[in-house]
Amino acid sequence: GNSVTQMEGPVTLSEEAFLTINCTYTATGYPSLFWYVQYPGEGLQLLLKATKADDKGSNKGFEATYRKETTSFHLEKGSVQVSDSAVYFCALSDPGGYQKVTFGTGTKLQVIP
Amino acid sequence: NAGVTQTPKFRILKIGQSMTLQCTQDMNHNYMYWYRQDPGMGLKLIYYSVGAGITDKGEVPNGYNVSRSTTEDFPLRLELAAPSQTSVYFCASTNLTPLTDTQYFGPGTRLTVL
Repeated sequence: GNSVTQMEGPVTLSEEAFLTINCTYTATGYPSLFWYVQYPGEGLQLLLKATKADDKGSNKGFEATYRKETTSFHLEKGSVQVSDSAVYFCALSDPGGYQKVTFGTGTKLQVIP
Repeated sequence: NAGVTQTPKFRILKIGQSMTLQCTQDMNHNYMYWYRQDPGMGLKLIYYSVGAGITDKGEVPNGYNVSRSTTEDFPLRLELAAPSQTSVYFCASTNLTPLTDTQYFGPGTRLTVL
């Protein structure tokens, strides 16, 4: 079946540091890949997505590139802010239909001033 | 445009009690989902629906039931609450098109079973 593996947290960074959160996946076919963010006390919201190989998703300074050869979708940001503190989930959608999404376990990011 | 709304936000149940978690979306989405999120874990799919009158089991359906009588509403029913059902429950919806396969999530219901 489909699976998503992302690096365990928590990740603690100083403000303006470079962020990488690793994500690899296993899937049959050609899934779409997502990063969702969950701020404290809130539901998940889409951060960025990529629907085919070599696509780069980007939003709010975050980027991730769909790498089919390494089955990866690592999240990066050049300079994090305190407001980026949240839990980040990597996910893939089932290419077989019904938009079933498989989530990773989430990586908590804490940015300190 | 309210998006996906869930009620209640918090609830404490005693073992054996029952309750219904409400979920409503106003985006005319065909697909709706119920997830649970346990501490330190990712989201696990409980049930999903591809349209009014059509539901199917997800990864962890035991102890839950759903119905979908309208496009807008997708309630989740717990019949005999157990401590293992202590979790945060999220409802989500999406419209199946090639360009808009984003899931939209509600704010969640935090349930404690004692």
